[in-house]
Amino acid sequence: DQQVKQNSPSLSVQEGRISILNCDYTNSMFDYFLWYKKYPAEGPTFLISISSIKDKNEDGRFTVFLNKSAKHLSLHIVPSQPGDSAVYFCAAENPGGGADGLTFGKGTHLIIQP
Amino acid sequence: NAGVMQNPRHLVRRRGQEARLRCSPMKGHSHVYWYRQLPEEGLKFMVYLQKENIIDESGMPKERFSAEFPKEGPSILRIQQVVRGDSAAYFCASSPGVNQPQHFGDGTRLSIL
Repeated sequence: DQQVKQNSPSLSVQEGRISILNCDYTNSMFDYFLWYKKYPAEGPTFLISISSIKDKNEDGRFTVFLNKSAKHLSLHIVPSQPGDSAVYFCAAENPGGGADGLTFGKGTHLIIQP
Repeated sequence: NAGVMQNPRHLVRRRGQEARLRCSPMKGHSHVYWYRQLPEEGLKFMVYLQKENIIDESGMPKERFSAEFPKEGPSILRIQQVVRGDSAAYFCASSPGVNQPQHFGDGTRLSIL
């Protein structure tokens, strides 16, 4: 049972356009959400996070939107740059549930085309 | 300001041997987490430790796997009597506390011959 789902294994976007990566979750106890970016043979790099008390958080070119009623979050990258090509993981945390590990989705491979 | 340091980066073991993976958290971080990533999968949580304490090991296999974070020195993930299915990338992360972003090391790629 996958509690965090990224339904698009890959996404191709033209340089300069907006990249939108989506993530759905099933556990309503999750209250903290994060996006990570990963290059091959490296560890995930933290990008941006959002607490469940907010519906939007912005940091430079990256914006995360949270829709709690739909149990859905998305990461917007604008404008997309060639260095953004990587695998993006959505992750969720339920610290109140006694387990403090992150639950990850399977990732979306973002390809930025020139 | 060094990030999370994991060593070795690559580890090869034969079936039945022991594997020891080390992780030094970021300076100022007292919370350490271990994750495993199988090919084509996301990262799966294994264990969460603070200094000298295992806080949550709900993701750890019941046998052969153990973890520690001693008062001095790095956190260690130990796998005894390794089997082929243990081949994976093992990532360590650290954070200053809960509801704070976890920062990851570059992982140890374990290969079992």
